[in-house]
Amino acid sequence: DAGVTQSPTHLIKTRGQQVTLRCSPKSGHDTVSWYQQALGQGPQFIFQYYEEEERQRGNFPDRFSGHQFPNYSSELNVNALLLGDSALYLCASSLGSGPIQETQYFGPGTRLLVL
Amino acid sequence: GDSVTQMEGPVTLSEEAFLTINCTYTATGYPSLFWYVQYPGEGLQLLLKATKADDKGSNKGFEATYRKETTSFHLEKGSVQVSDSAVYFCALSWGGGSQGNLIFGKGTKLSVKP
Repeated sequence: DAGVTQSPTHLIKTRGQQVTLRCSPKSGHDTVSWYQQALGQGPQFIFQYYEEEERQRGNFPDRFSGHQFPNYSSELNVNALLLGDSALYLCASSLGSGPIQETQYFGPGTRLLVL
Repeated sequence: GDSVTQMEGPVTLSEEAFLTINCTYTATGYPSLFWYVQYPGEGLQLLLKATKADDKGSNKGFEATYRKETTSFHLEKGSVQVSDSAVYFCALSWGGGSQGNLIFGKGTKLSVKP
């Protein structure tokens, strides 16, 4: 049973560019959440997708957007990259949303470096 | 807003030593509390959780008790092993036993020497 997978594992971009990160949830899961983990910090919640809609959002600008596909996989898009966007981006999947949501399982992350 | 504060690391212990990593939270109400562990080069794994006051979460020899009086959820293990070397994150969320968005502390790096 495959766990949460993310691609790519590493990525280097320059300021102003756009990036797309991908996540496949654990088998049987229908909810995907994205987190940003800066070096030496704890992860910060970006947003959560359930039934192809954004259900919750953290304190991130509109440059951060996402999408969930019918097969429950998800993409995170970041436009107009800034140096401060350099971080490990973690995807977590779970079953259900809101009060019925179960434990989140995390993928290994995508490390983004913005030069 | 809600927040989680962990003791600063790194923490270095000898094998078989006793471990305590302090965690306190600030929140209006009684959230669910979690400990996650991140091994080098890997994603986060749920270590244990507690969903209401006085609950004790436990897993792999680790324990933590939800103390609402002191708004704390300290992680303990009686005898650490080299394989416990990792970064430990305390976190909270709302929704009873389920998880909404998780609010994490900054993490505490643990190194266990043989």
